[in-house]
Amino acid sequence: QSALTQPPSASGSPGQSVTISCTGSSSDVGAYNYVSWYQQHPGKAPKRMIYEVSKRPSGVPDRFSGSKSGNTASLTVSGLQAEDEADYYCISYAGNDNLGVFGGGTKLTVL
Amino acid sequence: QVQLQESGPGLVKTSETLSLTCTVSGDSMFHYHWSWIRQPPGKGLEYIGYVYYTGSTDSIPSLKSRVTISLDTSKNQFSLTLSSVTTADTAVYYCARGLGYCNEGSCFPLSEFDHWGQGALVTVAS
Repeated sequence: QSALTQPPSASGSPGQSVTISCTGSSSDVGAYNYVSWYQQHPGKAPKRMIYEVSKRPSGVPDRFSGSKSGNTASLTVSGLQAEDEADYYCISYAGNDNLGVFGGGTKLTVL
Repeated sequence: QVQLQESGPGLVKTSETLSLTCTVSGDSMFHYHWSWIRQPPGKGLEYIGYVYYTGSTDSIPSLKSRVTISLDTSKNQFSLTLSSVTTADTAVYYCARGLGYCNEGSCFPLSEFDHWGQGALVTVAS
């Protein structure tokens, strides 16, 4: 199972919107609606921000949204705030006989 | 509120066995895939494997020959052992609660994690 592909970095100014992509294949992202996104601040454990492509857990601001087109899932952060600066990782379900593989992570910088 | 806490030695010698335990509080262990994920210093996340509450387990191919994941529901704990460690196994090890789905009596992990422990740094050195 191959890792999902994410851009190493992304950036935006406060108040702007930024979109992070997560590209997989027809065997994972493209085949199932089970993509989740995790936010990780330095020295902290990851936190689930999006699940099932576009659902937000309770307590996650609605500035965070997810979508999918074909083999690529996306995380959009609208109205960027300083506290959104973190690393973001995606992972997808890849079938009953495979464990998912995380994307390489994207470092989001708020300028 | 579900909480997970890793525990175990922070230093392991090369070629020896790494052992970590995760203690779960605030919920039962039933119907979840209890998972281990690691992160080498400065690098990304790697899903190691899981144990389902029934005791069934799986792990990634690259570690399968060295990994054992087990659980003790009476203690609300699950464990990771990794044998024959090298310096490449130095990482922060996270335990996490994994979600899954069941179909016709079989249950499968969705590779999605809703609660995480704080992480435990394990350094492998000679």
